[in-house]
Amino acid sequence: KAGVTQTPRYLIKTRGQQVTLSCSPISGHRSVSWYQQTPGQGLQFLFEYFSETQRNKGNFPGRFSGRQFSNSRSEMNVSTLELGDSALYLCASSRRGGPDTGELFFGEGSRLTVL
Amino acid sequence: AQSVAQPEDQVNVAEGNPLTVKCTYSVSGNPYLFWYVQYPNRGLQFLLKYITGDNLVKGSYGFEAEFNKSQTSFHLKKPSALVSDSALYFCAVRATGGGNKLTFGTGTQLKVEL
Repeated sequence: KAGVTQTPRYLIKTRGQQVTLSCSPISGHRSVSWYQQTPGQGLQFLFEYFSETQRNKGNFPGRFSGRQFSNSRSEMNVSTLELGDSALYLCASSRRGGPDTGELFFGEGSRLTVL
Repeated sequence: AQSVAQPEDQVNVAEGNPLTVKCTYSVSGNPYLFWYVQYPNRGLQFLLKYITGDNLVKGSYGFEAEFNKSQTSFHLKKPSALVSDSALYFCAVRATGGGNKLTFGTGTQLKVEL
């Protein structure tokens, strides 16, 4: 069973640019969540999508957005990049609801460096 | 709002000795508690969870965690540590109705030495 796939794994951007990250969940998983990991702030929840709808949202500015497609694949976009956006962006897939809720399967992340 | 505290940035233990990684939480309603592990340059891996039932939860790789409601704690334990257990461990909490929105602690680096 293939795991969660995130692309690209590494990318370098400059301030003011925008970036799109992609996530393919485990087959059969319909929930996709995104987290930002930085040395200073740790792991912070960005948003969760289920059935193409945003179900939860963290405390991030509107520059951070996401979407989910009918095949459960998800993308997140960050516009007008700032130096502080440099981070490891982790995608996690899971079933939603019932006893499996919260049991997340993470990808290896997309490491974004903003210069 | 929910929160998690991991009071130790690093825990050192000798191989073969028992290990404990501490976690306390704050959440409204019944807590859903989790432990995840992160190896270098990798994503997180689920270890175990507490939703309801027995206060001692068993998980992957011989790990277990003890839920203590009165102390609002969920400490991770293993009877005999291995060098390969060295990694970054995260405790997380989910509020009732929170879907898959988890609030993570700051992480504890576990170092197991020969």
